[in-house]
Amino acid sequence: DGGITQSPKYLFRKEGQNVTLSCEQNLNHDAMYWYRQDPGQGLRLIYYSQIVNDFQKGDIAEGYSVSREKKESFPLTVTSAQKNPTAFYLCASSILAGNYEQYFGPGTRLTVT
Amino acid sequence: QKEVEQDPGPLSVPEGAIVSLNCTYSNSAFQYFMWYRQYSRKGPELLMYTYSSGNKEDGRFTAQVDKSSKYISLFIRDSQPSDSATYLCAMSASNTDKLIFGTGTRLQVFP
Repeated sequence: DGGITQSPKYLFRKEGQNVTLSCEQNLNHDAMYWYRQDPGQGLRLIYYSQIVNDFQKGDIAEGYSVSREKKESFPLTVTSAQKNPTAFYLCASSILAGNYEQYFGPGTRLTVT
Repeated sequence: QKEVEQDPGPLSVPEGAIVSLNCTYSNSAFQYFMWYRQYSRKGPELLMYTYSSGNKEDGRFTAQVDKSSKYISLFIRDSQPSDSATYLCAMSASNTDKLIFGTGTRLQVFP
């Protein structure tokens, strides 16, 4: 089965802790993205990567970090510097960088208390 | 003003109805227009995309773009309860630009 997997589906953390969200794809896509979805707001781009070992900040990168050591993997770390980390996080990929046909994973719901 | 505006709904319709979902935008440079469907607690899935103005049909779904009015629509014919979901519009100025998403419209189709 080709697709994007995100784990875990639900994640709970205490305030002040860093947490890493996993995103893996077996679609052989070059580009990968992280979005955040909050009620009443559209998807907002956190980080994106066009190629291995390269990534760029999106609109709301503060308090987040990423790595792209392998084509298939693009983990997102939510650091303690992120003021409002509770949200639904979505990973996506596309064949080429910026290509509009983005395919999304099932998402991770992060709750920080 | 947001770049992309979308009525959050919910929009509640009976099974078999024709549904019209809409987005307006302010950036005249947008040329690529997408519609995504998102079921509750799931990731969005691409339904349709169109380039520039015009209509595109795929089964029960029709996407329409009116660039002169900065207005896009998604029509769903013979709506089914399985169409109940949130529909997100998204757009970009080129295929190298990031996507700008609307907030989504929640649709409920009741039997």
